[in-house]
Amino acid sequence: QKEVEQNSGPLSVPEGAIASLNCTYSDRGSQSFFWYRQYSGKSPELIMSIYSNGDKEDGRFTAQLNKASQYVSLLIRDSQPSDSATYLCAAYTGTASKLTFGTGTRLQVTL
Amino acid sequence: DTAVSQTPKYLVTQMGNDKSIKCEQNLGHDTMYWYKQDSKKFLKIMFSYNNKELIINETVPNRFSPKSPDKAHLNLHINSLELGDSAVYFCASSQIASGASTDTQYFGPGTRLTVL
Repeated sequence: QKEVEQNSGPLSVPEGAIASLNCTYSDRGSQSFFWYRQYSGKSPELIMSIYSNGDKEDGRFTAQLNKASQYVSLLIRDSQPSDSATYLCAAYTGTASKLTFGTGTRLQVTL
Repeated sequence: DTAVSQTPKYLVTQMGNDKSIKCEQNLGHDTMYWYKQDSKKFLKIMFSYNNKELIINETVPNRFSPKSPDKAHLNLHINSLELGDSAVYFCASSQIASGASTDTQYFGPGTRLTVL
């Protein structure tokens, strides 16, 4: 079982719609969670981090964390073509002192 | 101002050669990392250094040897390159060991290594 799992996609949403990206993790010791965006041929860049159960909003982005279900999600409201990218979910585990990434979900926002 | 820089951006070489990739960060961070991203886009930690001290050494062939001359630099030397080493290698840095409440890892632009 992969430590951090994501659906590889592609997830296709029309412009202006809400894109919902999901991630599950296996290590209950994971303490904090990160969403990175990676455009093709570029490096990952941080979009959101979340550490507590519940929702965290930043502009058009909302991260949701449910530690009981070991589930993290990222909602993108009013999706734009420029949001088309691969979104990487990552979990930090203190015992291993490392960030573990999922394989990413490719998002396509269509006109 | 480039926060995390890597050289070279592209590296094409023959099997069996030895090559190095250099990384520098000007963010004043204490921790630096090397990641490998394969053709399926899976990003996996290889090494991390905190203030020049190795703190993570994942299951990586010992042909890979990181070196940190100071906390702003982390280089990766690869001996006897193999076809399976072809990937994009990313350097990253963070203020403290990854995952603290306000910590963020900043990634370099990547080095695309192709072994022929």
